[in-house]
Amino acid sequence: AQSVTQLGSHVSVSEGALVLLRCNYSSSVPPYLFWYVQYPNQGLQLLLKYTSAATLVKGINGFEAEFKKSETSFHLTKPSAHMSDAAEYFCAVSLYNFNKFYFGSGTKLNVKP
Amino acid sequence: SQTIHQWPATLVQPVGSPLSLECTVEGTSNPNLYWYRQAAGRGLQLLFYSVGIGQISSEVPQNLSASRPQDRQFILSSKKLLLSDSGFYLCAWTEMGPEQFFGPGTRLTVL
Repeated sequence: AQSVTQLGSHVSVSEGALVLLRCNYSSSVPPYLFWYVQYPNQGLQLLLKYTSAATLVKGINGFEAEFKKSETSFHLTKPSAHMSDAAEYFCAVSLYNFNKFYFGSGTKLNVKP
Repeated sequence: SQTIHQWPATLVQPVGSPLSLECTVEGTSNPNLYWYRQAAGRGLQLLFYSVGIGQISSEVPQNLSASRPQDRQFILSSKKLLLSDSGFYLCAWTEMGPEQFFGPGTRLTVL
């Protein structure tokens, strides 16, 4: 069975500080991994994806994530937080048949001035 | 380029009334289509997915049903809404790649 765990339902950082959002997955086969961002009352926007190429993946808005197979992790980072990064972030995993995504419960990022 | 539409954007319905939410995708053919629900303070729950016209897979038993009458149209319905049906409904699609692309969502409030 596949599952995704996001540690911390709420994370608060100061503007300019490092952003680290944690995601661990369980999968019986090598998965595809994704991070999405959701602003209030909007749909989800793809930030980045891992599809078995480079383990360090760069996405939009300065975010990146590193796939670590030994730790079954796919943590999202950004060196310097902006106020506009305040949103909810979802980690997701899918398998090669593409029919299903498994989402984490989400992490709300608050950025303090 | 591909575009996904959902309507209505917001909906307020009384308990026991019917529901029809529509999702259409433009600029692609034979996509996989998905309906998700976000309840307040909770993550995304996959409700239904479809790999083709008339092909619907249900993830959880509930008060809702889905249909795919055309290749790029996906409809979520209910005959009688419950209070617990309130939430933010998201439609998504995939085509050749693994990533899903989401629509703008419909906010449903059942009173």
